[in-house]
Amino acid sequence: DAGITQSPRHKVTETGTPVTLRCHQTENHRYMYWYRQDPGHGLRLIHYSYGVKDTDKGEVSDGYSVSRSKTEDFLLTLESATSSQTSVYFCAISDTGLSSGANVLTFGAGSRLTVL
Amino acid sequence: DAKTTQPPSMDCAEGRAANLPCNHSTISGNEYVYWYRQIHSQGPQYIIHGLKNNETNEMASLIITEDRKSSTLILPHATLRDTAVYYCIVRGTGNQFYFGTGTSLTVIP
Repeated sequence: DAGITQSPRHKVTETGTPVTLRCHQTENHRYMYWYRQDPGHGLRLIHYSYGVKDTDKGEVSDGYSVSRSKTEDFLLTLESATSSQTSVYFCAISDTGLSSGANVLTFGAGSRLTVL
Repeated sequence: DAKTTQPPSMDCAEGRAANLPCNHSTISGNEYVYWYRQIHSQGPQYIIHGLKNNETNEMASLIITEDRKSSTLILPHATLRDTAVYYCIVRGTGNQFYFGTGTSLTVIP
C-alpha cells in the first residue's frame, strides 16, 4: 500500500508479554500514526509522530509507547500486553506536500493482535 | 478539536446516488473535511477532501454547506463494491486525524 508496510500482520501472545509492532514507510513522509480499531469504536488514535524523535499522545495512549529513531520506522510497543489490547492496529502516514495545504493519510494493511 | 457526527448505517440501491451526510458544527475556519472509506478489514482508503468549495474527483463529490457545519459525500452511481464504512473526519490541531464510528453503507442489488 503506497510504500507502507506493517509487521507482523498477525500475532498471538499471552497477557503480560511485551509486544512491538513495526511500521515501515518508503515515502519519506514526515507524519506517522498508530490507530487501533475495535468493534463499535471505529478507529482511535493511539500515538503519532511529527518527525524523528518527535511523538505525541492520541486519545487512547495508556498502555502504549512509541519510538521513531528514523524517518521510515515507527514502532508501537505494548510493554505488558493485556487482553483489552486485542485489536487490529493500523499505521498511517501523511505529509505536508499538497499544494492546497491539506494532508492525506495513507494506511497500511493492519496488524491483528490477539492477547490471550 | 472539531468532531463529526454521522448516521450509523444507510442503504442505497445499486446504480443510484448515495448521499452520506456528516455534521461538523465545531469546525474552525482553516480545518479541512476529509472522507475515507474502509472495505472489510482493509486499511481505510482516502476518497476526497475539501475546505469551503464543493469538490469532485473520479470517486465522489463533496458538498460543503456555506456555514461549513455539515457536508455530504455523494457517490453518483453506487455499485456493490462501494459497500463499506465511510468516515468523515476533520483534522485537529497538531495534524491529528480523529475518526469516529462512520456510516456503514450497504449497496443493494
